[in-house]
Amino acid sequence: NAGVTQTPKFRILKIGQSMTLQCTQDMNHNYMYWYRQDPGMGLKLIYYSVGAGITDKGEVPNGYNVSRSTTEDFPLRLELAAPSQTSVYFCASSSRGRVPYEQYFGPGTRLTVT
Amino acid sequence: QKEVEQDPGPLSVPEGAIVSLNCTYSNSAFQYFMWYRQYSRKGPELLMYTYSSGNKEDGRFTAQVDKSSKYISLFIRDSQPSDSATYLCATLSNDYKLSFGAGTTVTVRA
Repeated sequence: NAGVTQTPKFRILKIGQSMTLQCTQDMNHNYMYWYRQDPGMGLKLIYYSVGAGITDKGEVPNGYNVSRSTTEDFPLRLELAAPSQTSVYFCASSSRGRVPYEQYFGPGTRLTVT
Repeated sequence: QKEVEQDPGPLSVPEGAIVSLNCTYSNSAFQYFMWYRQYSRKGPELLMYTYSSGNKEDGRFTAQVDKSSKYISLFIRDSQPSDSATYLCATLSNDYKLSFGAGTTVTVRA
């Protein structure tokens, strides 16, 4: 099993550009999550999904969009990138059948907006 | 008020020392408490979890929860340089979302 994979690993965007961060998991997990991590700030939840076709906002959703058309994939879309979106982005997944819903994280995408 | 508060440190200790990490949380309804470990430039990995109050031990690691004071602790005995990482506490809400503390960066000096 590859677990949770994320692409790209690094990206530099100019202000106003758009991009999609890809996330795929091969563990057949129902739940998937997107977080951003800023220095000294821990992980903040952007969006999450409890299954294909179902998504919901987390703590910091503004400036982002998601979709979940399959169990495996959960892409995160940034529209009109801003410097405040410079961060490290982590995708995670977990399973309903495993208590206490241990989340498995991908390796992260480092995004810089200049 | 943040749901989980954690002193971001950093913390530097000599090899063999006991490392003590602490968090406080605000919602008394939380039942599951986790510690994630994150090595530099990697994603977090679950280290330990506890349910409700009490202690849980796993090798050199002990996790404690005191629900009366809403206090979460992690102790690392006989610390090793390989324990150098950022440690994040987290609580699980009823809708299966995690709230993370800021993370404490620990360096164990050889």
